[in-house]
Amino acid sequence: QKEVEQDPGPLSVPEGAIVSLNCTYSNSAFQYFMWYRQYSRKGPELLMYTYSSGNKEDGRFTAQVDKSSKYISLFIRDSQPSDSATYLCAMILSRSGNTGKLIFGQGTTLQVKP
Amino acid sequence: EAGVAQSPRYKIIEKRQSVAFWCNPISGHATLYWYQQILGQGPKLLIQFQNNGVVDDSQLPKDRFSAERLKGVDSTLKIQPAKLEDSAVYLCASSLVTGYPREQYFGPGTRLTVT
Repeated sequence: QKEVEQDPGPLSVPEGAIVSLNCTYSNSAFQYFMWYRQYSRKGPELLMYTYSSGNKEDGRFTAQVDKSSKYISLFIRDSQPSDSATYLCAMILSRSGNTGKLIFGQGTTLQVKP
Repeated sequence: EAGVAQSPRYKIIEKRQSVAFWCNPISGHATLYWYQQILGQGPKLLIQFQNNGVVDDSQLPKDRFSAERLKGVDSTLKIQPAKLEDSAVYLCASSLVTGYPREQYFGPGTRLTVT
């Protein structure tokens, strides 16, 4: 079993739709939860991160963490064609004694159609 | 601010040949990472440096992969000899040493095809 599981998609939605991207994980020691966006032929870029459980909002993006279910989500409101990319979740163990190593999911490819 | 630079962007080699990739991190970033991203998968950490020292190389196939970071700035990743399964994008990232978690800034990657 992989430590982090992510549905690879592809996911295709019309412009303006609400998009929900999800990851599950098995290691309860993960404390930091990130979402990266990767455009074709580019490196990943950090969208946002959350510490422990709860919600975090940044513009059209909302990240949610449910540690009891080992489940994280990224919601994109009013999706735009420019949001078309691969979205990668990533997780880090707690700070104590760890190097901050990122464990990535396999990524979900999103296409937003005009 | 200039981003992480990598070269070459693309490389095609035959199996059993050797190849080297180069990375120049963001100025002032003491931590440097090499990742392997196989098509359809997320990046996997191969090696992490802090300045000149190796912090984590637990997933580096040391029988064929090597990496160095001279003078704590640029880094090279080498594969010798290459296998078909090494076909992937090799991403370099860098970060500051302060704060946790450290935001990693990725370069555009080198796409390697082994035939």
